[in-house]
Amino acid sequence: QQQVKQSPQSLIVQKGGISIINCAYENTAFDYFPWYQQFPGKGPALLIAIRPDVSEKKEGRFTISFNKSAKQFSLHIMDSQPGDSATYFCAASLNNNDMRFGAGTRLTVKP
Amino acid sequence: NAGVTQTPKFQVLKTGQSMTLQCAQDMNHNSMYWYRQDPGMGLRLIYYSASEGTTDKGEVPNGYNVSRLNKREFSLRLESAAPSQTSVYFCASSEGLANYNEQFFGPGTRLTVL
Repeated sequence: QQQVKQSPQSLIVQKGGISIINCAYENTAFDYFPWYQQFPGKGPALLIAIRPDVSEKKEGRFTISFNKSAKQFSLHIMDSQPGDSATYFCAASLNNNDMRFGAGTRLTVKP
Repeated sequence: NAGVTQTPKFQVLKTGQSMTLQCAQDMNHNSMYWYRQDPGMGLRLIYYSASEGTTDKGEVPNGYNVSRLNKREFSLRLESAAPSQTSVYFCASSEGLANYNEQFFGPGTRLTVL
């Protein structure tokens, strides 16, 4: 049973465009929602995270939007760059030992 | 600082063979984790160690054992490898189990079981 559903599986965006990746979770007890970025041959790295007491968090070109009532959250990458091409994972957790990951989105930003 | 290191990077096993994946961290973290990553499945927690001297099962522990050798090192053992264990394995560490403690991941071990 996948507790965090992520879409789309893959995404192609032109340089300068906006990339949007969506996730939905089931367990309302989750209180931490991170996004990880993974480059080929590397481990995932934390990109940005949000807690459910806020509806939006922005760090540079990356923004998380959070909708608690809908149990959904999304990652927006503004002014997407070829260097952003990677696989992105959303996750949800109560503690680090129960973090549930989405299946991942492979983003390709075309120059 | 090297962060989280894993050995080996690649491994091919035959069904029934055993092997140990090694992980070490130099960040003085208390908690360490082993995940597997499969296509279309994201990462799933196999085992974790909240602190030195403790280990606990995660979401998918069957077929694996772990050892927290000391504060730095956390190994994952496959006693009798099966093709279903073909995956990429990631070790991670964090200061503690609370989710505000960022998890830092190693570069992974790509394991193929024939």
